[in-house]
Amino acid sequence: KAGVTQTPRYLIKTRGQQVTLSCSPISGHRSVSWYQQTPGQGLQFLFEYFSETQRNKGNFPGRFSGRQFSNSRSEMNVSTLELGDSALYLCASSLVAGQGGEQYFGPGTRLTVT
Amino acid sequence: QQQVKQSPQSLIVQKGGISIINCAYENTAFDYFPWYQQFPGKGPALLIAIRPDVSEKKEGRFTISFNKSAKQFSLHIMDSQPGDSATYFCAATHSGNTGKLIFGQGTTLQVKP
Repeated sequence: KAGVTQTPRYLIKTRGQQVTLSCSPISGHRSVSWYQQTPGQGLQFLFEYFSETQRNKGNFPGRFSGRQFSNSRSEMNVSTLELGDSALYLCASSLVAGQGGEQYFGPGTRLTVT
Repeated sequence: QQQVKQSPQSLIVQKGGISIINCAYENTAFDYFPWYQQFPGKGPALLIAIRPDVSEKKEGRFTISFNKSAKQFSLHIMDSQPGDSATYFCAATHSGNTGKLIFGQGTTLQVKP
């Protein structure tokens, strides 16, 4: 079974631009969560989607948004990019939401903001 | 109350030795504690997880010890191998909310041959 896939793997953007990252969960998984990983802050939860609905949201500004499609694929968007948004963005999927399911991570998208 | 504190930040162990990483949490509602292993350029991979109904869980060379009263849990890697060199993250959450993991800061483990 294929794992979680994320596209693109690497991205360079300029401050002020916006970016969209994509995540395809493991086949059959319906819950998708997003995390930001930086050397200083570590792994921080962004948001979780299940059945096209946001279940949870982390403590990030409104510039960070996401959505989930009917096939469980998810996208996250960051508008008005700042230098501090440079990070590895990780997507994780699980079978269902809120029932103790294990999360499986993708390889991440490395975003560099210049 | 949402923090998970992990120590040490880095660890060097000789091949064949025992690696021990500790984590402490504050939120008593947390009842699901996974450990993840991350190699450079890769996403975190689930290693082993424990729930508070047991005090210890073992999978191969990896063991989680859990102390509910102290709100602490630890990962023991027995017979550490150079291939175990990676960054390890503990995490915690409520089992009804496992899509939102609260991670520790990570421990970089180096196993010397």
